[in-house]
Amino acid sequence: GEDVEQSLFLSVREGDSSVINCTYTDSSSTYLYWYKQEPGAGLQLLTYIFSNMDMKQDQRLTVLLNKKDKHLSLRIADTQTGDSAIYFCAERDSSASKIIFGSGTRLSIRP
Amino acid sequence: EADIYQTPRYLVIGTGKKITLECSQTMGHDKMYWYQQDPGMELHLIHYSYGVNSTEKGDLSSESTVSRIRTEHFPLTLESARPSHTSQYLCASSGQRYTEAFFGQGTRLTVV
Repeated sequence: GEDVEQSLFLSVREGDSSVINCTYTDSSSTYLYWYKQEPGAGLQLLTYIFSNMDMKQDQRLTVLLNKKDKHLSLRIADTQTGDSAIYFCAERDSSASKIIFGSGTRLSIRP
Repeated sequence: EADIYQTPRYLVIGTGKKITLECSQTMGHDKMYWYQQDPGMELHLIHYSYGVNSTEKGDLSSESTVSRIRTEHFPLTLESARPSHTSQYLCASSGQRYTEAFFGQGTRLTVV
């Protein structure tokens, strides 16, 4: 079945760039998403990329998609303390009926 | 801001009680989902619905049940709560075929 994998933790210094990586197995995924979850809250969509794109930039966020390797990354430029959260990678399955989530990456910011 | 609401936000309940977690959305979305989130963060899909009178089990087996009598409402019921049901439950909905899912704030359930 479909699977989405992420590393569990990432620690970066304030002002540096953060890069969160994700791999997925469903080669027919059409949309891939990055969600952010702050403590005690639901998930908030940060950005998404369609599978025929290889890059999308939105202010401090850059999404890179390598469809051949089934690898997705999220780069946050100039990381701030407010970026501390859990970041989930997700994909639409090929039938478009379900959204499959990774395990989440907890991003912590060092001063 | 997404118009999807879950109640209650927090619930502490005794073992053996029957509970219903409410989820409502005002966006007219056909698809709705329930996810269970472990303390260690991972999200597991436990139920989803394509529309009224349609419900499907997700990837993680759950003792809960759901119903979809109205488009906007997708309640989740536990007939007899157990401590193993302690978790956060997240409801979501999505509209057109490939758009994102919008999430509610979640219900944190503790069974004692």
